[in-house]
Amino acid sequence: GAVVSQHPSRVICKSGTSVKIECRSLDFQATTMFWYRQFPKKSLMLMATSNEGSKATYEQGVEKDKFLINHASLTLSTLTVTSAHPEDSSFYICSASLQGVSNYGYTFGSGTRLTVV
Amino acid sequence: AQTVTQSQPEMSVQEAETVTLSCTYDTSENNYYLFWYKQPPSRQMILVIRQEAYKQQNATENRFSVNFQKAAKSFSLKISDSQLGDTAMYFCAFTGQSGGGADGLTFGKGTHLIIQP
Repeated sequence: GAVVSQHPSRVICKSGTSVKIECRSLDFQATTMFWYRQFPKKSLMLMATSNEGSKATYEQGVEKDKFLINHASLTLSTLTVTSAHPEDSSFYICSASLQGVSNYGYTFGSGTRLTVV
Repeated sequence: AQTVTQSQPEMSVQEAETVTLSCTYDTSENNYYLFWYKQPPSRQMILVIRQEAYKQQNATENRFSVNFQKAAKSFSLKISDSQLGDTAMYFCAFTGQSGGGADGLTFGKGTHLIIQP
């Protein structure tokens, strides 16, 4: 089946530094990928939609200069948290849609737990 | 904007019992897709079941079935013969448009389901 690989699974960084999270589609080409944020015991909130070869579309309230998204190829999307602060600590999950939701739906990466100290 | 509401923060049932998780949503769209996702402690998002709004027949996947009431904008999940491995967070989710996979998901707040031995 379609697999989305997300790395790292956990990362701890110092306040003020930047962290990059990678999301790869292993056996399919993902034209569109999505990035979500999940606070402890809370729901997933869509942050942005990443389209291969074009700028990401950010949801209202998401700072595009803080959360940089790059989708340079059909198999890789990255999320960079710039100048991270403790309030950016969260669980980040990527997802991809496969050839139309009606056929395949969405598949998710395993998530990245970011802790900013 | 679409909204998804799950009114049961937590539910607990005995093993082998049947449990129903509720979900309501609000949208002005006519074509859309609804999902139930399971998130175990590993936090990996797992698709449980999918329903296409234009299909009147309720979706079924083994022990999992939905009661889709389009007019009432209700999408409940029934788990039959519940098992210990069903213990997890369950999220109801919505995506609109034609289902081409260009849009992300809007999630409800989730229901923490606990199956007691």
